[in-house]
Amino acid sequence: DQQVKQNSPSLSVQEGRISILNCDYTNSMFDYFLWYKKYPAEGPTFLISISSIKDKNEDGRFTVFLNKSAKHLSLHIVPSQPGDSAVYFCAAMFGNQFYFGTGTSLTVIP
Amino acid sequence: GAVVSQHPSWVICKSGTSVKIECRSLDFQATTMFWYRQFPKQSLMLMATSNEGSKATYEQGVEKDKFLINHASLTLSTLTVTSAHPEDSSFYICSARREVSYNEQFFGPGTRLTVL
Repeated sequence: DQQVKQNSPSLSVQEGRISILNCDYTNSMFDYFLWYKKYPAEGPTFLISISSIKDKNEDGRFTVFLNKSAKHLSLHIVPSQPGDSAVYFCAAMFGNQFYFGTGTSLTVIP
Repeated sequence: GAVVSQHPSWVICKSGTSVKIECRSLDFQATTMFWYRQFPKQSLMLMATSNEGSKATYEQGVEKDKFLINHASLTLSTLTVTSAHPEDSSFYICSARREVSYNEQFFGPGTRLTVL
């Protein structure tokens, strides 16, 4: 049972535009959410996180939005750069458990 | 800071042999380490959670006798794939958690295992 879902396996965006990556979850007990970026044959690197008590967290070009009533979070990257091309995983946390989404492959076109 | 290394980065072995993968936290102590497996175009699958000095907790469906995990120190956890078969070929990633940043995991670079 996939508790964290990323319904878009891939996304292409023009350089300079906004990239919006979406993530849905089913467990209302999740209290912390994270986004990771992953290049091929490398481990994921942490990007940004948000606690369930907030609805927005911003760090430079990256902003994460959380809608608890919809059990939905999104990652906005603006402006998108070619170096942002990677697979993005969202993750949700409850207690000692991390649950990862299936990933969205982002391609930023120069 | 918060660097996690894995060794080896890539290993090829014959079917039936065992392979050990090391995961080290280089500049912090990690009481909890996690082992993940990633199949092509799929999510990271948590295999087990290891706590220093105690037995690992395996996720449902993961064979504990096949994937042996040892977390002997605060900076080292090992995953041994015993009697490897071609279907064990995958990308194995470890992560470590610092006590001071409980909500964050720091990932190793991963190990590509190919079983012939």
